[in-house]
Amino acid sequence: QKEVEQDPGPLSVPEGAIVSLNCTYSNSAFQYFMWYRQYSRKGPELLMYTYSSGNKEDGRFTAQVDKSSKYISLFIRDSQPSDSATYLCAMTRGGGSQGNLIFGKGTKLSVKP
Amino acid sequence: IAGITQAPTSQILAAGRRMTLRCTQDMRHNAMYWYRQDLGLGLRLIHYSNTAGTTGKGEVPDGYSVSRANTDDFPLTLASAVPSQTSVYFCATRRGVEQFFGPGTRLTVL
Repeated sequence: QKEVEQDPGPLSVPEGAIVSLNCTYSNSAFQYFMWYRQYSRKGPELLMYTYSSGNKEDGRFTAQVDKSSKYISLFIRDSQPSDSATYLCAMTRGGGSQGNLIFGKGTKLSVKP
Repeated sequence: IAGITQAPTSQILAAGRRMTLRCTQDMRHNAMYWYRQDLGLGLRLIHYSNTAGTTGKGEVPDGYSVSRANTDDFPLTLASAVPSQTSVYFCATRRGVEQFFGPGTRLTVL
């Protein structure tokens, strides 16, 4: 079993829809959970991260972590065509020498006008 | 320089040739990373450096080497390129738990 599993999609939604992106993981030592957005032919950019379990909201984006289920989610409200990108989940045990990230393979999202 | 720069942007290379991908940052972050990204396989860590003078192996280090002579530069060398090293290569730095990525180098080995 891979440490981090993410459905590659592709996922296609109409503009204005609520999008749910998810990852599961197997290593209970992970403490930090990230979501990166990657536009075509660009480097990944960090959207947001959370520490341990709980929710975090930033504008139209909400990240949720359920450590008991080893399941994380990213919700996008009122999706826009500009949200079309590949979304990568990533996680780590912590900073310092433990700061190496483990990435999911990414979910490709397309938001149609 | 703003953030992380990578050079070249893209390159076509004959198999067996030596190639160095360059990465320079101006953020003074101690930790730096090299990843490769392949369709269906996602981002995989090649090598990393937690601070100048130290390096470590990631998930897929074979065929690659790195050096970290100073804080700002972290070059990745392919000693003798093979077609399976065709990929997009990303350099990254870390501040705390956040990683910041460069624009990437698209490498094709024929």
